[in-house]
Amino acid sequence: NAGVTQTPKFQVLKTGQSMTLQCAQDMNHEYMSWYRQDPGMGLRLIHYSVGAGITDQGEVPNGYNVSRSTTEDFPLRLLSAAPSQTSVYFCASSLDRNLNTEAFFGQGTRLTVV
Amino acid sequence: AQKVTQAQTEISVVEKEDVTLDCVYETRDTTYYLFWYKQPPSGELVFLIRRNSFDEQNEISGRYSWNFQKSTSSFNFTITASQVVDSAVYFCALSEEARGRRALTFGSGTRLQVQP
Repeated sequence: NAGVTQTPKFQVLKTGQSMTLQCAQDMNHEYMSWYRQDPGMGLRLIHYSVGAGITDQGEVPNGYNVSRSTTEDFPLRLLSAAPSQTSVYFCASSLDRNLNTEAFFGQGTRLTVV
Repeated sequence: AQKVTQAQTEISVVEKEDVTLDCVYETRDTTYYLFWYKQPPSGELVFLIRRNSFDEQNEISGRYSWNFQKSTSSFNFTITASQVVDSAVYFCALSEEARGRRALTFGSGTRLQVQP
């Protein structure tokens, strides 16, 4: 079972570059989300989606874009990378939009912006 | 104000000690869900338990137990007879409705170190 697949696992960007973090799930989950994890701050929600075509902002959306054109994929785009976006990024999915079941997480992407 | 507060940043115990990780949450919803996740040194996030707001029964799973008290908005996690393999960061999380949609909010985590 693939579950939630994130790519890449590691990435180094220069300030100002753009890139897309990929996230795919094969469990037909409605709910998908992106978090960033920084030391001492836990996981903070960036963007989330309750289904194809529906996205919403989380706690720290600035500098990031998302789209959900299919149920399976939820890419996260960094428009113009900044050192403050150095972090570990996790994609997660849950069975239904009411979040009454557990979230399944990808392995994470460690991003460094220099 | 934080929706999920894990006041203990780091706890260190010796193997076989019992340890309790605290979680206090804040919500206006009457229907909400609480979760605990474990993040071992390898970095992945592992689901441990889910509890809905209508079920205040305590739960025990092996050496793990959870105490949910709505009166104090707490959902504490106890590990009995801790082992080195329990060393990890533990996160408490709250699923509630915000602006008509549900979002999952995490606490800042408690790092547990179990010394042999």
